[in-house]
Amino acid sequence: SSELTQDPAVSVALGQTVRITCQGDSLRTYYTTWYQQKPGQAPILVIYGRNNRPSGIPDRFSGSSSGNTASLTITGAQAEDEADYYCNSRDSSANHHVVFGGGTKLTVL
Amino acid sequence: QLQLQESGPGLVKPSETLSLSCSVSGGSISSSSYYWGWIRQPPGKGLEWIGSIYYSGSTYYNPSLESRVTISVDTSKNQFSLKLSSVTAADTAVYYCARIDSSGYLPLDYWGQGTLVTVSS
Repeated sequence: SSELTQDPAVSVALGQTVRITCQGDSLRTYYTTWYQQKPGQAPILVIYGRNNRPSGIPDRFSGSSSGNTASLTITGAQAEDEADYYCNSRDSSANHHVVFGGGTKLTVL
Repeated sequence: QLQLQESGPGLVKPSETLSLSCSVSGGSISSSSYYWGWIRQPPGKGLEWIGSIYYSGSTYYNPSLESRVTISVDTSKNQFSLKLSSVTAADTAVYYCARIDSSGYLPLDYWGQGTLVTVSS
């Protein structure tokens, strides 16, 4: 099965811009979805498709992709953005299968 | 607004079978546009897809768990279920159910709140 790789931890100064990346062969074929998870809560979808945000997600969140790498960018990070972020996509080697990245812990300094 | 709610025992003994249900409200589980999935998260660790089911009953499982997992759907009750057999302490996790858009890249757009299942004697 395919794998998605994320950096375990990233930090950003308050108000600055941070990019969280996700790498994997399946990303050459399929879009990535990004989720935010705060302690004790279920994940919530923050970016899906080419670069779409569900209602209620601030426009400081954006997504992009190039080759086998997808990125989640937070422009002007806020204290409330401190959370774990996960990417996911379809497994390109096993139809109908879901694959998750290992997650990135974002710390806002 | 779609809502998903997990239910089931919070404590399971080693070697026994973990059984959970997910009730779906605010939408039909029989929609052809979605799969319905189970995901788990061991304490302090990342998300792991367990498997998915289509309303027709077609199932898809994580190869690492396939020999122990059964997912079923009951369209009359608008719910789907998970059974995981021969559990060990390594199966202790928060278990989530979620709706998975079947178009292309399989985004999980709605999640239940999760339920902690502890495997212990």
